[in-house]
Amino acid sequence: GAVVSQHPSWVICKSGTSVKIECRSLDFQATTMFWYRQFPKQSLMLMATSNEGSKATYEQGVEKDKFLINHASLTLSTLTVTSAHPEDSSFYICSASPSGVGSGELFFGEGSRLTVL
Amino acid sequence: QKEVEQDPGPLSVPEGAIVSLNCTYSNSAFQYFMWYRQYSRKGPELLMYTYSSGNKEDGRFTAQVDKSSKYISLFIRDSQPSDSATYLCAMLTGTASKLTFGTGTRLQVTL
Repeated sequence: GAVVSQHPSWVICKSGTSVKIECRSLDFQATTMFWYRQFPKQSLMLMATSNEGSKATYEQGVEKDKFLINHASLTLSTLTVTSAHPEDSSFYICSASPSGVGSGELFFGEGSRLTVL
Repeated sequence: QKEVEQDPGPLSVPEGAIVSLNCTYSNSAFQYFMWYRQYSRKGPELLMYTYSSGNKEDGRFTAQVDKSSKYISLFIRDSQPSDSATYLCAMLTGTASKLTFGTGTRLQVTL
């Protein structure tokens, strides 16, 4: 299957700092990528849809100024958690589809675990 | 009522057993049905992908979709300890771009 890579896989930061997570599609181009958040033993919660060359679309209840998304190229989307607080600690996962978003054939990155102290 | 219902488990079975994982849904517009496997602290991995009703087999895995009952299943034959993971069902309408996930079922295959 297609490969989606995330970096870093694990990050610890102090409260008040900002953290950037990268999501790359390694063997295909993706005009759209998705960012999810997952709490322990819970399912994935879609945070936002990242669109190459335009603004991201955020789900209801997700603060766009808190979670900055940039999709500057067809293979890279970044999620920046600004002024992170302990409640932002979570598992963040991105996904992309080589077949287009309507196909449902999404491939996920390995996830990035954020711990805010 | 959630759009997709999935028993969270945990489900514990002995090695070699046949495992049946299920999801029900309420949105009749769903056309694409996926099963993902997620190991602890890892991203989900696409296992099976099915369009509309019917069966699909891949090795020890069989996915079934019954649109009339709004019910999908994933069967795992000859289950192995390495199958121990959380299995998430996911669905998509023909026009939407966002997957709707079940809560995931945690499976434990014991020796």
